[in-house]
Amino acid sequence: DSGVTQTPKHLITATGQRVTLRCSPRSGDLSVYWYQQSLDQGLQFLIQYYNGEERAKGNILERFSAQQFPDLHSELNLSSLELGDSALYFCASSDQTGGGGNTIYFGEGSWLTVV
Amino acid sequence: GQNIDQPTEMTATEGAIVQINCTYQTSGFNGLFWYQQHAGEAPTFLSYNVLDGLEEKGRFSSFLSRSKGYSYLLLKELQMKDSASYLCAVSDQNNNAGNMLTFGGGTRLMVKP
Repeated sequence: DSGVTQTPKHLITATGQRVTLRCSPRSGDLSVYWYQQSLDQGLQFLIQYYNGEERAKGNILERFSAQQFPDLHSELNLSSLELGDSALYFCASSDQTGGGGNTIYFGEGSWLTVV
Repeated sequence: GQNIDQPTEMTATEGAIVQINCTYQTSGFNGLFWYQQHAGEAPTFLSYNVLDGLEEKGRFSSFLSRSKGYSYLLLKELQMKDSASYLCAVSDQNNNAGNMLTFGGGTRLMVKP
């Protein structure tokens, strides 16, 4: 158990809908990262927050948005869902904002299926 | 930007040794990570290299050559439970905003009896 908690674990929704994925980082971690992993694909970095502020943005679609709250939990909002958005969405956390030795720890992921 | 290459699949025999290679190109380098990921599960941290050389941790070792942009993960005394994907990830020093790890596509290792 990495200490990173994600909900829901599984979600099935229809095209055009909107969903929110939630993440609670490890205790004491200030950075939260979101990754997308499609079937048989690598991990694609979406976005990073540090202590409530956006710090890095990767290949995140405009239909997707995220935020980190004062209690450090984060939410990833996915709207106008398309079939291609079906994927495993991982949240990860770390205790720093930078530095190569800063290991990030992953949650169990949220399986999103768009039908 | 970053470009990370690793073989898509490898097969090895239980009890044997396997080496998974990773090459990378990056505008700035601030460390290389290896993660293990079983299908449908979270990636779990295996190793971190920032200096050249070999880091040994039990049955797993990781090597880095910064001048060659090359790393490998060495797995010894393979067990069936080692069947998983192994992800090479590079941390970019130029990303001042945060520790954005960029992952390779992963190497799916199948261990056979």
